[in-house]
Amino acid sequence: EPEVTQTPSHQVTQMGQEVILRCVPISNHLYFYWYRQILGQKVEFLVSFYNNEISEKSEIFDDQFSVERPDGSNFTLKIRSTKLEDSAMYFCASKREQGRWNTEAFFGQGTRLTVV
Amino acid sequence: KQEVTQIPAALSVPEGENLVLNCSFTDSAIYNLQWFRQDPGKGLTSLLLIQSSQREQTSGRLNASLDKSSGRSTLYIAASQPGDSATYLCAVNPNAGNMLTFGGGTRLMVKP
Repeated sequence: EPEVTQTPSHQVTQMGQEVILRCVPISNHLYFYWYRQILGQKVEFLVSFYNNEISEKSEIFDDQFSVERPDGSNFTLKIRSTKLEDSAMYFCASKREQGRWNTEAFFGQGTRLTVV
Repeated sequence: KQEVTQIPAALSVPEGENLVLNCSFTDSAIYNLQWFRQDPGKGLTSLLLIQSSQREQTSGRLNASLDKSSGRSTLYIAASQPGDSATYLCAVNPNAGNMLTFGGGTRLMVKP
């Protein structure tokens, strides 16, 4: 069964360092997302990406964050200068359709980011 | 702003019991609602998707209902098993927006 894969599963980084979280969405999906979940809190939307550009972003997704689809399969989230409060589980998700023909969102297993 | 609430936050039941998890949302302008399962430290596994035009969706021992006008959904689990122990999340996809808004989850423990 097709699945969303994320690497690495766990990343530890020093405050101020740049990190790149990687995702391979399901191959025939068109919409890609990043979410995060701080320990003990709700899953929060960060950004959605369609047709090689950001379609929506939350207030969390500030200038420190960027996303890219560098080739036909990978989807990355970059945090330029990590802060302690960026420590969270980051989930990538993908979906085939949005809007009136909305389909199921499939999530990866997550990358646990720990900023020290 | 859409708010999603799940009650109860935690639930402990003996094996074999039928149970209902509740989800409520404040804005009924949604495309669909999705239920997920999350095991500790793991990702989200999609269980059921209910489109806004549907009232019910079933998968095995799971049945989800949606009452869009009152902003409510329930997830019914029949004949619960210890393997059902996990956190169950509901999430809504609004008409105006390409994202999911999540509830805080119900942490379920099924005791053998």
